[in-house]
Amino acid sequence: DVKVTQSSRYLVKRTGEKVFLECVQDMDHENMFWYRQDPGLGLRLIYFSYDVKMKEKGDIPEGYSVSREKKERFSLILESASTNQTSMYLCASSTLVHSSYNEQFFGPGTRLTVL
Amino acid sequence: QKEVEQNSGPLSVPEGAIASLNCTYSDRGSQSFFWYRQYSGKSPELIMSIYSNGDKEDGRFTAQLNKASQYVSLLIRDSQPSDSATYLCAVKALSGDYKLSFGAGTTVTVRA
Repeated sequence: DVKVTQSSRYLVKRTGEKVFLECVQDMDHENMFWYRQDPGLGLRLIYFSYDVKMKEKGDIPEGYSVSREKKERFSLILESASTNQTSMYLCASSTLVHSSYNEQFFGPGTRLTVL
Repeated sequence: QKEVEQNSGPLSVPEGAIASLNCTYSDRGSQSFFWYRQYSGKSPELIMSIYSNGDKEDGRFTAQLNKASQYVSLLIRDSQPSDSATYLCAVKALSGDYKLSFGAGTTVTVRA
């Protein structure tokens, strides 16, 4: 089974703090994604990466950055946390293998509260 | 127009009944289609993938795809209280990247 893990289930931070959210997958997947999910807004893509050291902006990259130094690890960084970044953050991964449907597998999520 | 639209719900069905969820998409070139189940406070879990027109069955779940009409549906037969969740429809376009477009979800409640 694909296993995607995230560093924290719950996190509380102060406004202005630098926040690191880490995601690790154990299936050698090439693609990794960061989403946030808010009531009434659904899943929104923040950033994705299709290879080590590669990154692409999603729909809402402002206020976020990412790092992918190793294939299995994809980090989301909030440079200066703000209250409007309070949300559920979800990491996902998928493979480039031709026979795959490119389905994405999600981690358990991190519920971040910024005070 | 949203890329992926789902019937808004909530959908309430009695235990043992069939729950029917619909999803339409705007990109005619879309090639892969997924249904995710998300329990409250949890992350989405993949339950069905479908690529070709027609039906695909997996246990009590059946996914139906009609590319000409640009819709995909999910049927849950013999609905159980444990099926109460939000169901997300996701679509992958034909383009070279590997992003998925997600619908807003349909919340299903199965009444015991």
